This record gives sequence, C-alpha cells and structure tokens, in this order.
Amino acid sequence: GAVVSQHPSRVICKSGTSVKIECRSLDFQATTMFWYRQFPKKSLMLMATSNEGSKATYEQGVEKDKFLINHASLTLSTLTVTSAHPEDSSFYICSAAPGQIVNQPQHFGDGTRLSIL
Amino acid sequence: AQSVTQLGSHVSVSEGALVLLRCNYSSSVPPYLFWYVQYPNQGLQLLLKYTSAATLVKGINGFEAEFKKSETSFHLTKPSAHMSDAAEYFCAVTRGGNEKLTFGTGTRLTIIP
Repeated sequence: GAVVSQHPSRVICKSGTSVKIECRSLDFQATTMFWYRQFPKKSLMLMATSNEGSKATYEQGVEKDKFLINHASLTLSTLTVTSAHPEDSSFYICSAAPGQIVNQPQHFGDGTRLSIL
Repeated sequence: AQSVTQLGSHVSVSEGALVLLRCNYSSSVPPYLFWYVQYPNQGLQLLLKYTSAATLVKGINGFEAEFKKSETSFHLTKPSAHMSDAAEYFCAVTRGGNEKLTFGTGTRLTIIP
C-alpha cells in the first residue's frame, strides 16, 4: 500500500535553531501534501497545504515565515521551523494525496516529535 | 464548510464487547468520510473510507462504518473489542482526495480486560 515516510521521528534542539522535517511519498506521486500540528491529547490542526511546484497555502493564523514549506518534487515536501522556540514544541504530521485520483485517501507519515529546550 | 463532531472524547469497553464510536458530519457537498486510528507517538492509519459507493463500509482490523445520510452520521463499530484496539480514533471529512481533511476532536478508546 501507499507509504509516506517522515523524517526525523524525533528532534530535540536548543531555542533559536531551525529544524527541517522531510515528508516523502515512497511508492506514489503526491501532487498535494499536507502539514498538520497536533498538541497533546488534541486533534490535528492543518497548518498548510503544499502543492508541487507552487507556493504553499497556509491556514489562518499560521505564520508562513515561521513555518517554511517547500514541495520541490512529486515525492518530497519539507517543513522548516525557523528560529524555533519552546512554544513550537509539538507533534508534526504530514500526509500525502496520490495524484489526481479523487477517491484516494490521504496517507500519513509517522510524525515528528519536536522538542525545543 | 465542512465539520465533524465526535461524541464522547473517551470511550471504555470491556474486551469482547461491542465498540461504537460516534461521528456526525456537516457538509454542503457530498462528503468523503474517513476513520483513522492513531497509536501513541505515531501517525494516522486509515481504518476505512466512504466515497459514495456502498453505505456500509468494511475496514481493517474488523471495523466497519455505516454512512447514514438522513442522520448525517458515520459511526464506527466493531463487534468484539480486542486489547490491541486501544488507541485514539479520528473521524474526518473532505470534498475529495486532494482536498484538505477536517478532523473531529478524536475519541480515546480504552479496552478493559
């Protein structure tokens, strides 16, 4: 079945560091990828929609200069948390939608636990 | 606009008992509905999906869900709970595969031995 790989699975770093998270679709082409943030014991909050070859669409309240998204190929999207601070600590999850097939569900990565000290 | 309501943030059932997790949706267009399961510190795994074909949808691990348009519901059921079913379950709605998912708040399922 469709597999989405997310890396790294866990990051611990100092405040002020920039952190890059990769999301790869391993066996299908993903024209659209999504980035979510999940707070402890909460649901997933969509941060942005990433379309291959174009700028990401950010949800209201998400700082685009803080959370940089690049979708340079049909199998890779990256989320960079710039100058991270403790309040950016969270669980980040990506998902990918296979091509233009309307009925295909999104497939999720295993998430990245980001901890900013 | 689309939305999903999951009634009951926590559900506890005994091992071997029926599992019923409730989901109601609101959508201005015919919806695509999904149930996902999340184990601790992991991403989401698709349990099943409704995409306007059969209203009774069978998924993995013995789960199934029935789409009821008249009730705007998509409840998840499993006849006999297993200890390995303990997890967080999310109902989600979208207009299509490449459209963003709108998630419910989730239901934490606990299985009592």
